[in-house]
Amino acid sequence: EIVMTQSPATLSVSPGERATLSCRASQSVSSDLAWYQQKPGQAPRLLIYGASTRATGIPARFSGSGSGTEFTLAISSLQSEDFAVYYCQQYDDWPHTFGQGTKLEIK
Amino acid sequence: EVQLVQSGAEVKKPGESLKISCKASGYSFTTYWIGWVRQMPGKGLEWMGVIYPGDSDTRYSPSFQGQVTISADKSISTAYLQRSSLKASDTAMYYCARHRLVGAFGAFDIWGQGTMVTVSS
Repeated sequence: EIVMTQSPATLSVSPGERATLSCRASQSVSSDLAWYQQKPGQAPRLLIYGASTRATGIPARFSGSGSGTEFTLAISSLQSEDFAVYYCQQYDDWPHTFGQGTKLEIK
Repeated sequence: EVQLVQSGAEVKKPGESLKISCKASGYSFTTYWIGWVRQMPGKGLEWMGVIYPGDSDTRYSPSFQGQVTISADKSISTAYLQRSSLKASDTAMYYCARHRLVGAFGAFDIWGQGTMVTVSS
């Protein structure tokens, strides 16, 4: 199965600054990559699909990039509501594996 | 409104069986894949498997193959996750989620609220 590795495990950033999260696949997943945000006590929410397309209602400060095995989620000008755990997921091949998550915390 | 509503929290004893549900509304249930995701306490998301309610085609993660059964009842737009012989290690939040593309795979765009399952003697 494809292993998704996210880095760093925890990222400390100040509000208003930019955050960059990484996700690496053990083999190519083309652009079949999604990013989710999960806040405590809530279900995950889809942010990005197709590696770079924002889901409905997602603010423009969220952007995704990459293809093949290397992907990035960037959040410009962090707002208080952006501090959460972020997961990447590949849906190119079964099983559709998730990364282990990156916790974005307030610095 | 498109939504998935899951059944309520469960408390079970080791060895008991479990069946949790995920009721879909606001869209054509039979034309979108629905999946199940496990999240153990304090841990990440684990993809368990998916079902296409239109023909009950089902795919499982090797980690969960033979351990759980995913099914669907088209007549009531509901998907199910079953597990027999529960263990303490099955304690987790279980989410159902819908693939975003009609008749195809993609990201999970709609999520249920989750069902917390606690297994304890």
